[in-house]
Amino acid sequence: GAGVSQTPSNKVTEKGKYVELRCDPISGHTALYWYRQSLGQGPEFLIYFQGTGAADDSGLPNDRFFAVRPEGSVSTLKIQRTERGDSAVYLCASRRPGQGSQDTQYFGPGTRLTVL
Amino acid sequence: AQRVTQPEKLLSVFKGAPVELKCNYSYSGSPELFWYVQYSRQRLQLLLRHISRESIKGFTADLNKGETSFHLKKPFAQEEDSAMYYCALSRRGGSEKLVFGKGTKLTVNP
Repeated sequence: GAGVSQTPSNKVTEKGKYVELRCDPISGHTALYWYRQSLGQGPEFLIYFQGTGAADDSGLPNDRFFAVRPEGSVSTLKIQRTERGDSAVYLCASRRPGQGSQDTQYFGPGTRLTVL
Repeated sequence: AQRVTQPEKLLSVFKGAPVELKCNYSYSGSPELFWYVQYSRQRLQLLLRHISRESIKGFTADLNKGETSFHLKKPFAQEEDSAMYYCALSRRGGSEKLVFGKGTKLTVNP
């Protein structure tokens, strides 16, 4: 079946602008995660949704970052007043809890954000 | 604090040689340990997890709680094993957010 999809695949913006990154999880996956991967680093957790609610947003670096998942499926990560340090690959993952060996996080291809 | 350390940024071996990618972790409690792999131009995918005790693509990893290690091993490396490998941990029963190491780039030379 279709995997996790993310759009856009690449986003170039200017410092101070607002951006939205979209994630379409695998159908039926109730858990959704956002990670950020900077150059030379492993993915770093940002936020976790169970259904529509953000169950853990402890990884969001500051209040410029916000994410929503209004209908429990698609999620949007929003970054206000972007800074050059926000440049990274933003990864989304989804998971269906309680599915035994299938209970794992499936990752999307990522959105590469470049802030000029 | 939760931390995953992969001491080798780069690892290069010849085809048919054994390979070991090191992973050490710090965590208070009982974590679940994973190895993820990212092949060139592909997305990050799960290779194996310690609770499954499986061998995937000839790779195995044993959790050593005394040494807090979860090293990934393969007795005979293949060229198609060339990829970026990430060790990760999560807390069982919670959000299961993953904490990743910085990764090791494995190159298997012909």
